[in-house]
Amino acid sequence: DSGVTQTPKHLITATGQRVTLRCSPRSGDLSVYWYQQSLDQGLQFLIHYYNGEERAKGNILERFSAQQFPDLHSELNLSSLELGDSALYFCASSVVRTGSTEAFFGQGTRLTVV
Amino acid sequence: DQQVKQNSPSLSVQEGRISILNCDYTNSMFDYFLWYKKYPAEGPTFLISISSIKDKNEDGRFTVFLNKSAKHLSLHIVPSQPGDSAVYFCAASAANQAGTALIFGKGTTLSVSS
Repeated sequence: DSGVTQTPKHLITATGQRVTLRCSPRSGDLSVYWYQQSLDQGLQFLIHYYNGEERAKGNILERFSAQQFPDLHSELNLSSLELGDSALYFCASSVVRTGSTEAFFGQGTRLTVV
Repeated sequence: DQQVKQNSPSLSVQEGRISILNCDYTNSMFDYFLWYKKYPAEGPTFLISISSIKDKNEDGRFTVFLNKSAKHLSLHIVPSQPGDSAVYFCAASAANQAGTALIFGKGTTLSVSS
């Protein structure tokens, strides 16, 4: 158990809908990262938050947004969903603001858009 | 463009032999490198890391080698065990730079047969 909790584990929704994925980081970790893993793709970095502030953006679509709350949990909002958004979405956390240490991953949310 | 490349999608090795997984990177700002292991239906788990000030780091059966001039790193597993069968991801970051994140390759699926 990495200590990072993601909910829900599975989500099935229709095209055009909006969903929210939730992540609770390890106790004491201030950084939260979101990654997307599509079929035959590696882990694509989406966005990084540190202590409530956005720190870095990767290949995140404009239809996607995220935030980190004062209690440090984070939510990834996906809207106007398309079939191609079907993927595994991982959240990871680390204690530091920089990339100088390992990040710990949750078990992921499998999103299926039908 | 892919900053971290794992050019071998798969590798098959017999139990007891050495497994060598390779990774190349293009961004000269990367100075911290990690390997993660991922089983199906689980999140990636941290395996071993290396800073650019070193050229080798060892942890039990796992050794990571870094060749900065070639922008290449490799993970050696000796001896390989059936339980090592998993997807291995190489990751890199520009450590100590605020707003950075771990950038992952597409992964190599290792199969260890008994």
